[in-house]
Amino acid sequence: EVQLVESGGGLVQPGGSLRLSCEASGFSFTSFWMSWLRQAPGKGLEWVANIKQDGSAKYYVDSVEGRFSISRDNAKNSLYLQMNSLRVDDTAVYYCARDDARNGPFDSWGQGTLVTVSS
Amino acid sequence: DIEMTQSPSSLSASVGDRVTITCQASQDISDFLNWYQQKPGKAPNLLIYNAINLETGVPSRFSGSGSGSDFTLTISTLQPEDFATYYCQQYDNFPPTFGGGTKVEIK
Repeated sequence: EVQLVESGGGLVQPGGSLRLSCEASGFSFTSFWMSWLRQAPGKGLEWVANIKQDGSAKYYVDSVEGRFSISRDNAKNSLYLQMNSLRVDDTAVYYCARDDARNGPFDSWGQGTLVTVSS
Repeated sequence: DIEMTQSPSSLSASVGDRVTITCQASQDISDFLNWYQQKPGKAPNLLIYNAINLETGVPSRFSGSGSGSDFTLTISTLQPEDFATYYCQQYDNFPPTFGGGTKVEIK
């Protein structure tokens, strides 16, 4: 069974940093692109970033380019999102997802971790 | 970025009803269109990929159609567990983008 478990969310002040983690199990982690997506409270879904199987290619939505960094550790079956210079509008539930063909379909999702940016 | 427009944004229906949700892309996306279901407090769940293909384990009452810029998700006979929000998503162009969602509520 595919499992994705996120951690690392919490309350942070504007301008602060946070690192999210996603531990994967139940599938060959090295065979898939992986993505981070987010959902602001009461809002729709937004793709944030993805990373190629070997980590050699990374892509970001414009609104986080230069502030967020996606990475992976294939030895640990883990995905990460380093978030710097956080803004109030980054407040959201962040999901990691298995990316079946780069940019979707996102065929397995974690339960999400809430990031709240507030003073 | 490709804009995805869903309609309606919400609807009320009864168990047993046939429900249709539409999704329009701002340009031709061929069949690179997926549908997701999301229940309150839960992660989204993939229902349909490549416009018409049912994800493994998804009930056959769900179906997708369309190509180019106009797509449809149909629930043939609405069940109690189908009350949720549905999202379309394109992956023809970078970045992948989602529609605003359609909330299906109990009438």
